[in-house]
Amino acid sequence: GNSVTQMEGPVTLSEEAFLTINCTYTATGYPSLFWYVQYPGEGLQLLLKATKADDKGSNKGFEATYRKETTSFHLEKGSVQVSDSAVYFCALSDQQGNTPLVFGKGTRLSVIA
Amino acid sequence: EAQVTQNPRYLITVTGKKLTVTCSQNMNHEYMSWYRQDPGLGLRQIYYSMNVEVTDKGDVPEGYKVSRKEKRNFPLILESPSPNQTSLYFCASSLSWGDTEAFFGQGTRLTVV
Repeated sequence: GNSVTQMEGPVTLSEEAFLTINCTYTATGYPSLFWYVQYPGEGLQLLLKATKADDKGSNKGFEATYRKETTSFHLEKGSVQVSDSAVYFCALSDQQGNTPLVFGKGTRLSVIA
Repeated sequence: EAQVTQNPRYLITVTGKKLTVTCSQNMNHEYMSWYRQDPGLGLRQIYYSMNVEVTDKGDVPEGYKVSRKEKRNFPLILESPSPNQTSLYFCASSLSWGDTEAFFGQGTRLTVV
C-alpha cells in the first residue's frame, strides 16, 4: 500500500539557518504530494503541494520538488524564523481519489533566536 | 468563514462511559475523516466517509464508531472508552482525495482514566 517516510525529529535550528526535512514515499501510480504544518495547539493546515513529477510547490518561503526518480518530496527553506517552529507532516494522496491522505509521522522543528 | 469545528476541545472521562466527539464542516465537502495523533506514531486514520451514509474503516478503527447521516456532520463515537484511547483527535474534510486540500479541525484532546 501507499506509505510516507519522513526524517525523525526533533530538529532544532538557529534563526536564519537552512532547513531540510526529508520525505520519501511508496505508492502505485502517480500520487499527489503535500506538506502540512501544525502550529502549537492547532490543527493541520496545508503548506504546499505538488501534483506531478518535477512540480515545485512553494509557500511562505518553503519549497518542495516532486522527484519521481527518487520518490522524494523534501521540504526546504533558506532562512528559518522562530515563527516556523511547528510539526511538519509529509502526505500523499492517490490522484484517482480512491483513498484518503496518508501521512508521515511528522517532524518537530524548533527554531531558537 | 470556511471551517471544520470539533467539540469538545478537551475532555476527561472515565473508562466505559460512552462519549461522542462532534465534527461539523460548512464547506459542503463530500469527504470527511477522523485521525488520532500520538507521540512517535504521527497521524493514524480511524474512519472515513466519502458521502452521506457511506463510511469505511481506516487503519485503527477498533473501539470507535462513526455515522454520516448528513453531509456536514461526522461524529466520532466511543461506546466504551479505554485508557489506550487517550489521544489527540482530528476531524478533516475535503472536496475529494485527489489533489485537493484537506481542512482540519482544531483537535480534541481526550483523556480516559
